Amino acid sequence: QKEVEQNSGPLSVPEGAIASLNCTYSDRGSQSFFWYRQYSGKSPELIMFIYSNGDKEDGRFTAQLNKASQYVSLLIRDSQPSDSATYLCAVRVDNTGKLIFGQGTTLQVKP
Amino acid sequence: KAGVTQTPRYLIKTRGQQVTLSCSPISGHRSVSWYQQTPGQGLQFLFEYFSETQRNKGNFPGRFSGRQFSNSRSEMNVSTLELGDSALYLCASSFSDRLDEQYFGPGTRLTVT
Repeated sequence: QKEVEQNSGPLSVPEGAIASLNCTYSDRGSQSFFWYRQYSGKSPELIMFIYSNGDKEDGRFTAQLNKASQYVSLLIRDSQPSDSATYLCAVRVDNTGKLIFGQGTTLQVKP
Repeated sequence: KAGVTQTPRYLIKTRGQQVTLSCSPISGHRSVSWYQQTPGQGLQFLFEYFSETQRNKGNFPGRFSGRQFSNSRSEMNVSTLELGDSALYLCASSFSDRLDEQYFGPGTRLTVT
């Protein structure tokens, strides 16, 4: 079983819709959770992080964490074509800088 | 505030050679982590340095090594390069070694021929 799992997609949504990206993790001791966006040929860009159960909102982005279900999600409201990218879920399982990444979900927002 | 910088951005090497990559973290950041990204394996953790000490190491052979200097700048070295070492090597920095988020540099694209 992979430590961090994401559906590779592609997830296709129309412009203006809500995109929902999901991630599950296997280590119950995981402490913090991150979402990165990566455009083709570029490096990952941090867009959200969440440490506690519940929702965290930042502009059009909402991260949701459910530690009991070992599940973290990212919602993108009012999706734009510029949101088309690969979204990487990352989990920190200890007190070092090691992040474990999922394989990423490709999001396509169609005009 | 300037972001994470990595040099060189692109590199072409021959099998058997060695290579050194450099990373300068965001000013004030003390933790530097290195990752390898390939299409097949995705993003994989190489190692992390905090205050010049290696705190964690991923499952890579001993040909991969690194170090961190007193100014938090970090280098990674790969000796006896193999074709499979072709990848994007990413450096990320964070303020401390605890829950702080990591910010990535632009990466070094290494091609081994």
